[in-house]
Amino acid sequence: NAGVTQTPKFQVLKTGQSMTLQCAQDMNHEYMSWYRQDPGMGLRLIHYSVGAGITDQGEVPNGYNVSRSTTEDFPLRLLSAAPSQTSVYFCASSRLSEADEQFFGPGTRLTVL
Amino acid sequence: AQSVTQLGSHVSVSEGALVLLRCNCSSSVPPYLFWYVQCPSQGLQLLLKYTTGATLVKGINGFEAELKTSETSFHLTKPSAHMSDAAEYFCAVSDREDTGNQFYFGTGTSLTVIP
Repeated sequence: NAGVTQTPKFQVLKTGQSMTLQCAQDMNHEYMSWYRQDPGMGLRLIHYSVGAGITDQGEVPNGYNVSRSTTEDFPLRLLSAAPSQTSVYFCASSRLSEADEQFFGPGTRLTVL
Repeated sequence: AQSVTQLGSHVSVSEGALVLLRCNCSSSVPPYLFWYVQCPSQGLQLLLKYTTGATLVKGINGFEAELKTSETSFHLTKPSAHMSDAAEYFCAVSDREDTGNQFYFGTGTSLTVIP
């Protein structure tokens, strides 16, 4: 199993540009989520999904869109990049039970100039 | 919603010394608790988790954590630090919300091991 994969690993954008961060998992997990990691702030939840066709907002959803058309894929879209979105982004997946741990991808380091 | 607080954003220990990383929970009712480790420029890897049963949980690489409900704590320990333990450590709690499970992470503790 590849686990959770993310592409790209690094990305530099100019303010106002849009892009999509890709996330895929091959563990048939129902739950998928996106976090951003900033120094001193831990991981903050952006959006999450409990199954195909179902998404919801997390703690910091503004400026980001998601969709879940399949169980495997959960892309994160930046609509109009801003310098405040410079961060490291992690995708994670798990089963739906609250006792189950989340599995993380390797992350995408995004810089917005 | 549940939350966790990690005390100390930076901890330094000498190689061979005890590692103690602190995590406190917002609730005295044992939720589901996790410790993750993040090596530089990498994703998060699960170290250990508490779900039900024994309150002393053993994880990978010699780490363990004990849930103390009287203190609402879930501190991470390792008897003897190794250079390879230098990393960022995150405590997390899982909470079932109406719309699904949510994970809440602490702000992280960076562990430095001094040779």
